[in-house]
Amino acid sequence: GNSVTQMEGPVTLSEEAFLTINCTYTATGYPSLFWYVQYPGEGLQLLLKATKADDKGSNKGFEATYRKETTSFHLEKGSVQVSDSAVYFCALTYLGPNDYKLSFGAGTTVTVRA
Amino acid sequence: EAQVTQNPRYLITVTGKKLTVTCSQNMNHEYMSWYRQDPGLGLRQIYYSMNVEVTDKGDVPEGYKVSRKEKRNFPLILESPSPNQTSLYFCATSPYLGETQYFGPGTRLLVL
Repeated sequence: GNSVTQMEGPVTLSEEAFLTINCTYTATGYPSLFWYVQYPGEGLQLLLKATKADDKGSNKGFEATYRKETTSFHLEKGSVQVSDSAVYFCALTYLGPNDYKLSFGAGTTVTVRA
Repeated sequence: EAQVTQNPRYLITVTGKKLTVTCSQNMNHEYMSWYRQDPGLGLRQIYYSMNVEVTDKGDVPEGYKVSRKEKRNFPLILESPSPNQTSLYFCATSPYLGETQYFGPGTRLLVL
């Protein structure tokens, strides 16, 4: 089936550190991949997405590349800020001719200290 | 302003007392969905709807009901809440199935 597994947290970093959150997926077809972010007390919002292999999604200094060969969609940011403290969710959606699947990872809590 | 609204935002209730959490969107989206968020489990889909009068079960539908009588509204109904339904609930919408979802602010439910 289609599912995602993401790195467990929590992750604590200092400002300007490099952030990586690993996400791998299993898929029977060609899913779309997403990273959502949840700031404290809020709902989830889209951070970035990629819809096909080798696509790179980017937003707010974050990047993730859809790697079919390693079935991964790791999230990276070169220099984090305190405002990046949030919970990050990897997700996939697969829409086939007779099938639909949506899956979220468990979430990774990131805390950035000044 | 494009938005997804949920009410109530916080609710404390007792076992067996029927409740409804409302969800409304003003973006004319076809697809709406309900999730629950629990520590260590991420988001799990309860029900989804691809259009008016079309609903389907997600991964954890037991104990919940939904209806989609109008395009903009997708209420979540707990006929007889139990303590294991204590959770944070999110409504989400997207233009079509499989596309980026827009989430409401969440409803925190405590069932005693």
